[in-house]
Order: sequence, then C-alpha cells, then structure tokens
Amino acid sequence: QQQVKQSPQSLIVQKGGISIINCAYENTAFDYFPWYQQFPGKGPALLIAIRPDVSEKKEGRFTISFNKSAKQFSLHIMDSQPGDSATYFCAAKNPSNTGKLIFGQGTTLQVKP
Amino acid sequence: DAGITQSPRYKITETGRQVTLMCHQTWSHSYMFWYRQDLGHGLRLIYYSAAADITDKGEVPDGYVVSRSKTENFPLTLESATRSQTSVYFCASRGTPLYNEQFFGPGTRLTVL
Repeated sequence: QQQVKQSPQSLIVQKGGISIINCAYENTAFDYFPWYQQFPGKGPALLIAIRPDVSEKKEGRFTISFNKSAKQFSLHIMDSQPGDSATYFCAAKNPSNTGKLIFGQGTTLQVKP
Repeated sequence: DAGITQSPRYKITETGRQVTLMCHQTWSHSYMFWYRQDLGHGLRLIYYSAAADITDKGEVPDGYVVSRSKTENFPLTLESATRSQTSVYFCASRGTPLYNEQFFGPGTRLTVL
C-alpha cells in the first residue's frame, strides 16, 4: 500500500512534442505529490508538486494532472526540449511531520532534437 | 557554500570493510534523509532523522547505521560492506513540517568489490 508505481521506464520524444509520465498509488492518506527532475551526476531537484485537493497544476511547460478517484497522477511536459532530457521521479508523501517520500521507479526521458 | 554537501563523491571499497558516507547541510533543517538509488527501484529510503539524536529506519535499513549528534551532519555507515550495497547514495534535508520540499545533495557513488 506504500508503493508508487511509475511508467514508462523510458521515453523518447521529439523536440516540440508532449512528454507524459504516469504514476499510480494505493494509499489514499498521501497528502503531497511532487515530481523531481534529475540530471546525470546530480541529485534530484523538485520540479513541481500538487496536493490532492487540486486536479491540475501548471508551471510553465510542466503540468501535473491529478485524478484522486483513480489514484493516479501524471506529469505533462509541453513543447519538450532537449534540455528536458533527464530522469523524472514521482513521489508521494506520508501525512506525518517527518515528510517521508515514497518514490516511483523513475522515467528516463530523452528529447531528440 | 550554503546547501547540502556529500563526501566523498566517489568511493571504491572491498567487501567486509567499513565505509562512512558524510552529509552536511547549512540550512539547520530539522529533517534529514538517506536514500539509495538503483536502476529499476527509484529512490529508496534507508534512514531518516527528525532532529539531532532522533533517527529511525526507512524502507531498506539492513546493513546501515546512522547517527546525528549535530543538526547539520548525518553520516551513514556501512559496517561491513557487501556487493549488494553498490549504489548511488543521496542525502536530503527538509525544513519545518509545514514545508514539504526535500533538498538533495549531489550523491556518492559507492562501488563494493
């Protein structure tokens, strides 16, 4: 029940296209859903996040769509650029003060020029 | 420099040796975390700490020991390294319970021969 399942494992998109990464969770108590972006040789960095009382959040070319009833959320990258090539992790937070995150397995995105 | 740092960045050791990975943050964040990153598994929590002298197990704690005598430091020790502990290790920190974002260090790539 603590798992977060992420798909696909890898994704290749042409420049200008839309990249979509999906995540599913089981624990309805999760109260915060972030996406982290990781470039090779670097640590993950927060990209965008959403709370379960919101169905969509947009920041620039990045959008999280959240479906509470289906227990799914997804990251959409519009007008994908080669600089977006990275590994993306979804995560879910337990509703406790420690803020432990459960991460998905990761998606390696390659945007071809 | 402000932020979160890890040392060493790369480490090669042999089976059975003790290894300590260091993590230092300059924000005085209360919460600190250790993750390991393995292909296909995403980021898995090893140990976390809510404050100095308060630590607790995460998802994969076996074979690891942590301590936190000072707020800014959170070392991770492999008491007797095994090949299965070959991985990339990330330290992260988080501020108050009201602030969800975790900030990650640059990682330590550990190889156990």
